[in-house]
Amino acid sequence: GQQLNQSPQSMFIQEGEDVSMNCTSSSIFNTWLWYKQDPGEGPVLLIALYKAGELTSNGRLTAQFGITRKDSFLNISASIPSDVGIYFCAGWAGAQKLVFGQGTRLTINP
Amino acid sequence: NAGVTQTPKFQVLKTGQSMTLQCAQDMNHEYMSWYRQDPGMGLRLIHYSVGAGITDQGEVPNGYNVSRSTTEDFPLRLLSAAPSQTSVYFCASSPKHLGQGPSSYNEQFFGPGTRLTVL
Repeated sequence: GQQLNQSPQSMFIQEGEDVSMNCTSSSIFNTWLWYKQDPGEGPVLLIALYKAGELTSNGRLTAQFGITRKDSFLNISASIPSDVGIYFCAGWAGAQKLVFGQGTRLTINP
Repeated sequence: NAGVTQTPKFQVLKTGQSMTLQCAQDMNHEYMSWYRQDPGMGLRLIHYSVGAGITDQGEVPNGYNVSRSTTEDFPLRLLSAAPSQTSVYFCASSPKHLGQGPSSYNEQFFGPGTRLTVL
């Protein structure tokens, strides 16, 4: 089936640093979603992307839908302690199945 | 709105036992789905439903059954629990979108999860 390759798998950064993670696929996706998961909780939607080339921001978060429709990236600027968690990319495969990447675990040193 | 609710929060089963994980949403969403989350593997789709009376298999359906008799509820049944089914299970729902993009559904809203251990 369709797969999303997310990298890096983990990141260890200092508070205040910028973060960048990306997601790639061998297949075309029509919608890209970025989620954050805190320990013991379900994923929460951060940003949704609907059009190739689209760049969308949500506070300190910025995400882009790749022009080839096979990739997306998420940037976090000026990281803070509450940014700690696991970030997932996801894309709709066809019309009815949401496929997830493996996740990027973000750890921040104060 | 309570959003997506799941019960129980935690469950321990013995191999061979059966049980049902409950999921309900009060947002009148047409689409509901079940995922399992294992370390390092992200979320994998078990079963999904695009409306009452309609269900279909996802990536890892073996050992699980679902039914969708109402829009609100989407229970997941483990027929004969196995240690390989030890995982965290998430239920999610999506509204059918209008407009942007060719996908039929956009955002998925997740429940808090059920942590299942099979001994």
